[in-house]
Amino acid sequence: GAGVSQSPSNKVTEKGKDVELRCDPISGHTALYWYRQSLGQGLEFLIYFQGNSAPDKSGLPSDRFSAERTGGSVSTLTIQRTQQEDSAVYLCASSFVGDTQYFGPGTRLTVL
Amino acid sequence: ELKVEQNPLFLSMQEGKNYTIYCNYSTTSDRLYWYRQDPGKSLESLFVLLSNGAVKQEGRLMASLDTKARLSTLHITAAVHDLSATYFCAGTGSYQLTFGKGTKLSVIP
Repeated sequence: GAGVSQSPSNKVTEKGKDVELRCDPISGHTALYWYRQSLGQGLEFLIYFQGNSAPDKSGLPSDRFSAERTGGSVSTLTIQRTQQEDSAVYLCASSFVGDTQYFGPGTRLTVL
Repeated sequence: ELKVEQNPLFLSMQEGKNYTIYCNYSTTSDRLYWYRQDPGKSLESLFVLLSNGAVKQEGRLMASLDTKARLSTLHITAAVHDLSATYFCAGTGSYQLTFGKGTKLSVIP
């Protein structure tokens, strides 16, 4: 079946602009996660959605980062006023609760 | 707070040789995962280990878990070039994954 999909695959933006990254989870998966992968910090957890519960935002690095999940399916990660340190690969994963997380191909964000 | 350490971070090995990657974690982890990442690609799930003494094998890779020592190992048998990739272990206290820094494996002829 279809895996996790993310768009765009690459995004180049100028410092100070806002960006939106999209994630389509595997159908039926109730849990959705965002992670960030960078050379300096490795793989870091950002945010977790489970069903209709309030998301766990404990991993978001600043208030410039936000995410929403509409209808329990598609999720959008928004970064406002992007900074160069936001450059990274943003990975989305989905799972059944407590089960193996399956990752999407990622969005490579470059902030100039 | 769960911390996960892998070693080595870089591993260059000859085809046909055996080697082990080690993954230590700091506090109780509900389960332990191993993922593979090829350059420019996403993470591919390899193994999930649920309990003490768990052992799983797939091809030339075998993963094990010792919860008392808070240690997981990924053993590579008779390495082949196709195994060249970065391998991550990850623990989970509740739901989010905490990853090690990864082991970049290069298998050379």
